[in-house]
Amino acid sequence: TQLLEQSPQFLSIQEGENLTVYCNSSSVFSSLQWYRQEPGEGPVLLVTVVTGGEVKKLKRLTFQFGDARKDSSLHITAAQPGDTGLYLCAGFTSGTYKYIFGTGTRLKVLA
Amino acid sequence: ETGVTQSPTHLIKTRGQQVTLRCSSQSGHNTVSWYQQALGQGPQFIFQYYREEENGRGNFPPRFSGLQFPNYSSELNVNALELDDSALYLCASSRLAGEMVEETQYFGPGTRLLVL
Repeated sequence: TQLLEQSPQFLSIQEGENLTVYCNSSSVFSSLQWYRQEPGEGPVLLVTVVTGGEVKKLKRLTFQFGDARKDSSLHITAAQPGDTGLYLCAGFTSGTYKYIFGTGTRLKVLA
Repeated sequence: ETGVTQSPTHLIKTRGQQVTLRCSSQSGHNTVSWYQQALGQGPQFIFQYYREEENGRGNFPPRFSGLQFPNYSSELNVNALELDDSALYLCASSRLAGEMVEETQYFGPGTRLLVL
């Protein structure tokens, strides 16, 4: 059974601080996506990483895919209250046509 | 380009009843996946439809069934509802291009189901 573990589960930080969220698995994925979800809404795609070692930046967010394509990280620089939400990683394996979601990291950024 | 839409937004049912949830995929997408998201957890894959056939299934019992229509819209049907079926049900659409390649999936806003 493929599992994606995210850490930490909960994070409460002050505005301006930096943070890193981790997504780990023992399985290899064809690609991995990061989403942010607001309460009562569907997840909104932030980024897709495909190549092992790939780094993508989206303003203050930096995403990295592990060399072995089993893990990923999301780093937020100078967090803002608007970054508050549930962050989800999801791994895709082309052979099974399925996305496996991580357990989620709930981030709260205090003003 | 229209996004993924779902209906209804909220629904209350009682144990034992049946429910049908609907999803319209994003323009140009031919694949729909359904997920169940319990409160405070990540989405769990229910199944995926491609070319009107089930293309993969997660660990959900047969009382969870689906359909995909020629216009790529989809339905999720749940029979004999149980209290634990209370959750946010999400659909996501994507485009299968070529063999075993799936492009990014985009989610709808979800249907929140409460079973009493």
